[in-house]
Amino acid sequence: TQLLEQSPQFLSIQEGENLTVYCNSSSVFSSLQWYRQEPGEGPVLLVTVVTGGEVKKLKRLTFQFGDARKDSSLHITAAQPGDTGLYLCAGVRNNQGGKLIFGQGTELSVKP
Amino acid sequence: NAGVMQNPRHLVRRRGQEARLRCSPMKGHSHVYWYRQLPEEGLKFMVYLQKENIIDESGMPKERFSAEFPKEGPSILRIQQVVRGDSAAYFCASSPTGQWMNTEAFFGQGTRLTVV
Repeated sequence: TQLLEQSPQFLSIQEGENLTVYCNSSSVFSSLQWYRQEPGEGPVLLVTVVTGGEVKKLKRLTFQFGDARKDSSLHITAAQPGDTGLYLCAGVRNNQGGKLIFGQGTELSVKP
Repeated sequence: NAGVMQNPRHLVRRRGQEARLRCSPMKGHSHVYWYRQLPEEGLKFMVYLQKENIIDESGMPKERFSAEFPKEGPSILRIQQVVRGDSAAYFCASSPTGQWMNTEAFFGQGTRLTVV
């Protein structure tokens, strides 16, 4: 059983389209992070959200933490081919510092 | 400031051999974490170490796997008597503190272990 369910697992869109990736759980998380991973590389942190209802923006990327701190979403506006990659959400439960629980990831492909 | 350094990047071992994976954290980071990434399974937590101490090893298989982070030198993830199922990408991350709300962890590029 996956504690953090990410959807969709695969997404192929055209340049300029908008998309949303979801990360859902029945458990409460102290904080939640979003990473992006390129093939053959390690994950790179995009954002950390801590407060329920929090919204953070990073250029064309908007991250939201659910009010109950059980879910999160990543929205990309006007996707570009450079956005192609694996997007991972990861959460920390009950202040268990160090133990990040990862979702399965969303493989995004943006075609020119 | 160099990032998290893992070596080797690629490691091929025959079944039954030992695999040693090394991780040098970023300068000033005393917290190290090991994760394993299997195809289509995402990253799974293995172990969390702070200098000379294992803080949380709840994700480590009970047999054949061990990890250390000595006072001097890199952290080592050791897999004895490797089997084909150990083939995966192993990632190390480091952070200055163990509190994920207030800190950023940096991941290395990983070691791809292939057991033949």
